Amino acid sequence: TQLLEQSPQFLSIQEGENLTVYCNSSSVFSSLQWYRQEPGEGPVLLVTVVTGGEVKKLKRLTFQFGDARKDSSLHITAAQPGDTGLYLCAGPWGGTSYGKLTFGQGTILTVHP
Amino acid sequence: DSGVTQTPKHLITATGQRVTLRCSPRSGDLSVYWYQQSLDQGLQFLIQYYNGEERAKGNILERFSAQQFPDLHSELNLSSLELGDSALYFCASSVAGTGGWNEQFFGPGTRLTVL
Repeated sequence: TQLLEQSPQFLSIQEGENLTVYCNSSSVFSSLQWYRQEPGEGPVLLVTVVTGGEVKKLKRLTFQFGDARKDSSLHITAAQPGDTGLYLCAGPWGGTSYGKLTFGQGTILTVHP
Repeated sequence: DSGVTQTPKHLITATGQRVTLRCSPRSGDLSVYWYQQSLDQGLQFLIQYYNGEERAKGNILERFSAQQFPDLHSELNLSSLELGDSALYFCASSVAGTGGWNEQFFGPGTRLTVL
């Protein structure tokens, strides 16, 4: 059982389209992180959201943390082929006394030129 | 380049064998984390070391063990290997050992194939 459920699992879109990826949990998280992973590489941190209701923007990427701190979303505007990759949400697990993270199953995004 | 190095990049071995994966954290990072990534389980936390001491454990099998040495590099030992152990193994490092907002930097991974 995954603590963090991501949807959709796969997303295949054309360049220029918008998309949203969701990360949901029945548990409250003190923070949530979004990572992007490309084939043959490790995940790279995109953003950390800490406050309920927080919205963070990173160029064409907008991240939102739910008011109840149980969910988060990643919205990409005008997707480009370079956005292709595996997107993972992650949250601290077992309390903030530790650094261990639990990850969602991931969303595989393919942006076609 | 995250600054975390892992060796080897690929490893092919047979069932029942034992292998050692190596990780060098970023300069200055005291925490090392090991994760396993497979198609069916996704990315799963295995174990964390902080400044040489075990800090946290995840769903790590008893056949697996790890240690962090005085120079802060870490090794993950996998023994009595089974077909299901085939996966990508990532090492990550961070400055601190606590805090969910603590940024972890991931290495490029070791792809283990058990035949």
